[in-house]
Amino acid sequence: EDQVTQSPEALRLQEGESSSLNCSYTVSGLRGLFWYRQDPGKGPEFLFTLYSAGEEKEKERLKATLTKKESFLHITAPKPEDSATYLCAVQGVASNTGKLIFGQGTTLQVKP
Amino acid sequence: DGGITQSPKYLFRKEGQNVTLSCEQNLNHDAMYWYRQDPGQGLRLIYYSQIVNDFQKGDIAEGYSVSREKKESFPLTVTSAQKNPTAFYLCASSIDRQSNSPLHFGNGTRLTVT
Repeated sequence: EDQVTQSPEALRLQEGESSSLNCSYTVSGLRGLFWYRQDPGKGPEFLFTLYSAGEEKEKERLKATLTKKESFLHITAPKPEDSATYLCAVQGVASNTGKLIFGQGTTLQVKP
Repeated sequence: DGGITQSPKYLFRKEGQNVTLSCEQNLNHDAMYWYRQDPGQGLRLIYYSQIVNDFQKGDIAEGYSVSREKKESFPLTVTSAQKNPTAFYLCASSIDRQSNSPLHFGNGTRLTVT
């Protein structure tokens, strides 16, 4: 069964304090791994798609990396506006529906 | 601007009443999805549709129904048979079900049933 586990559940950082969020996954053939950002009361906003181990993608202070078993979302010198819940999701090759399996999310709080 | 519009943002209903949540997209996407989000849990798939006049049950379809009469619209009805309907409901779309393109989400409807 496809499964996604994110850690930690919550993370508090001081502004400028870099850190990483983890997404561990089990899937029978990875078609894609997706990162989303979700602000309170809003829908998830797409950040990155990673397709194969070794791939990396960057956007401003965020960098996503992928191995065969996990993905990391690295946040460099975060600012208070980076505070949000970050969701990880996978799509397996067995899925012919476009369905994504989501983790529980990591809630990040960045204090000024 | 293209996007997904969900309405209403907040919805309150009495137990035993059916309620319909609206989802409209102008992205010209073929596939549409309904997810449910509860605190401390990942998003769970309720129903999905790959093409007009066709839809399939997701992982937690019991107590829900959908229709897909137009490409742009995918309304979700929460029936009185749904045991725990209070939740945040998210509608999403993607170009098509077979590609690994990302899902685009609306801003959700928070349903409270008392």
